[in-house]
Amino acid sequence: DTAVSQTPKYLVTQMGNDKSIKCEQNLGHDTMYWYKQDSKKFLKIMFSYNNKELIINETVPNRFSPKSPDKAHLNLHINSLELGDSAVYFCASSRGRLAGGYQETQYFGPGTRLLVL
Amino acid sequence: DAKTTQPPSMDCAEGRAANLPCNHSTISGNEYVYWYRQIHSQGPQYIIHGLKNNETNEMASLIITEDRKSSTLILPHATLRDTAVYYCIVGSLNNAGNMLTFGGGTRLMVKP
Repeated sequence: DTAVSQTPKYLVTQMGNDKSIKCEQNLGHDTMYWYKQDSKKFLKIMFSYNNKELIINETVPNRFSPKSPDKAHLNLHINSLELGDSAVYFCASSRGRLAGGYQETQYFGPGTRLLVL
Repeated sequence: DAKTTQPPSMDCAEGRAANLPCNHSTISGNEYVYWYRQIHSQGPQYIIHGLKNNETNEMASLIITEDRKSSTLILPHATLRDTAVYYCIVGSLNNAGNMLTFGGGTRLMVKP
């Protein structure tokens, strides 16, 4: 079974549309994340979320919003899509923040390739 | 911004050890060194992490200099499947939300 899964794998849409990407983890982790990897292959954190707090990278436009129906899911909603939103979006999860005095290992999903036309 | 410096690319012969360097001269006392890799078209994969002492697991070894300003990831017997981009990251619990900050990484090409 895939530990962290994302749907869809590919998403092609028109500028101005609203879309969602789903993420599920079956590891029993408390914290989930969204990353964006642009055409230059740089991976940038967008959000960190557990059932107590959402931490947002200040560079992320407010058109992006994470929504968590339960601990195992963290979906990414994007409103008014722009050309520059085209990228690969990775979901990740970790057990938590505070175990062992270091940042917990993060497990990444396979990515969602978004193309905005 | 990433706080590490890595060579953009390296080659390694199959079966040989791959030694990937990383400079983190501004690392603070409570920051760990993490290594992840990303094989083409896949999500990043955790490899190893350490604070001061050298570490080894089933995937790799991590050698951290005494002053902690640099480290080396060692893949003891590289295979073609180890071809990937390798990211060296420093971080601590003080980083908001346990967020990892990835730099450009090193593109390792393992050749037959």
